[in-house]
Amino acid sequence: EAQVTQNPRYLITVTGKKLTVTCSQNMNHEYMSWYRQDPGLGLRQIYYSMNVEVTDKGDVPEGYKVSRKEKRNFPLILESPSPNQTSLYFCASSLTGGLNTEAFFGQGTRLTVV
Amino acid sequence: GQQLNQSPQSMFIQEGEDVSMNCTSSSIFNTWLWYKQDPGEGPVLLIALYKAGELTSNGRLTAQFGITRKDSFLNISASIPSDVGIYFCAGYNNNDMRFGAGTRLTVKP
Repeated sequence: EAQVTQNPRYLITVTGKKLTVTCSQNMNHEYMSWYRQDPGLGLRQIYYSMNVEVTDKGDVPEGYKVSRKEKRNFPLILESPSPNQTSLYFCASSLTGGLNTEAFFGQGTRLTVV
Repeated sequence: GQQLNQSPQSMFIQEGEDVSMNCTSSSIFNTWLWYKQDPGEGPVLLIALYKAGELTSNGRLTAQFGITRKDSFLNISASIPSDVGIYFCAGYNNNDMRFGAGTRLTVKP
């Protein structure tokens, strides 16, 4: 089954404790991205990757890091989480970043930083 | 960055009614997309629009890509309880996808 898998689904952590949210896709997609969803703000892009070893900042990259060492994985790293990073996070992938392409989303990771 | 203005923010309708929501932008997009998010799930693509003026249907859903490329609307006809969820518009240009804030739809049986 084609899917985007995020882990964990839920996470409560303390300020400053490094964490990683994993994202994996089994569709051989080149393009992957991370979004955060906040009430009234919709989905805002954090980082995206057009292919292995190619990453770029989205709209709200501050406080986040990503890596793309393999095509299927695109982890999101919070080196020192803060309460304003409490949010619902989605990973997405698509065949390419170009036109006529559908983005498939993971089920989301709800992060709470206390 | 480019902002998408989606309205209305929320809708409470009776089962069987038609629904209309729209998205506008100050900038041009090459592709407009409409997604639906069910509770506890990620967004799922409903309709994709690739040409200005294009009108596309998917079952009870109809969406249009505005002629100016700065707007799009989504209509749902004869709503049913499973239409409940959050609907997002998205505009796409050159590896950059922007989302509206969403329209939360509630359907009363």
